[in-house]
Amino acid sequence: EPEVTQTPSHQVTQMGQEVILRCVPISNHLYFYWYRQILGQKVEFLVSFYNNEISEKSEIFDDQFSVERPDGSNFTLKIRSTKLEDSAMYFCASGRIGAEAFFGQGTRLTVV
Amino acid sequence: EDQVTQSPEALRLQEGESSSLNCSYTVSGLRGLFWYRQDPGKGPEFLFTLYSAGEEKEKERLKATLTKKESFLHITAPKPEDSATYLCAVQSTSGTYKYIFGTGTRLKVLA
Repeated sequence: EPEVTQTPSHQVTQMGQEVILRCVPISNHLYFYWYRQILGQKVEFLVSFYNNEISEKSEIFDDQFSVERPDGSNFTLKIRSTKLEDSAMYFCASGRIGAEAFFGQGTRLTVV
Repeated sequence: EDQVTQSPEALRLQEGESSSLNCSYTVSGLRGLFWYRQDPGKGPEFLFTLYSAGEEKEKERLKATLTKKESFLHITAPKPEDSATYLCAVQSTSGTYKYIFGTGTRLKVLA
């Protein structure tokens, strides 16, 4: 069964450093997403990506964040100059238009 | 503003004790309502999609229903392995295809 895969599963980084979270969406899906979940809180939308460009981004997704689809299979989230409050689970998801999204198992980002 | 509210926040059931979880939503137009299960430290796992009022979906001990304002996830004769957080999400017809999540219901089923 196709699945969304994310790497790494856990990333520890120093405050101020840049991190890149990687995702391989399901191959025939056209919409890609990044969500985050701070411990004990709800799953929050960050950004959606369609047709090789951002289709929507939340207020959280400021200039510190960027997304890229560097090739036909990978989808990345870059966080520049990480802050303590960026510590969270980051989920990648993919889906078809008007249907459910499938989520990866997440990357736990810890900023120290 | 599109919004999803889930209740209760937490629920403890004895094995075999059936119950229902509620998801109330406010959207300009509903494209779809989605139920997910989330285990600790894991990503949301897709359960059901509902598109229109009156629709029902069933899978093992779970049944999801939809009205114009809310959805219910009915759990019949639950087992300890049903313990998880159940998330409801909506996709609105306005704007793009993002999913808006509720805060979830933490379900604990005791043996």
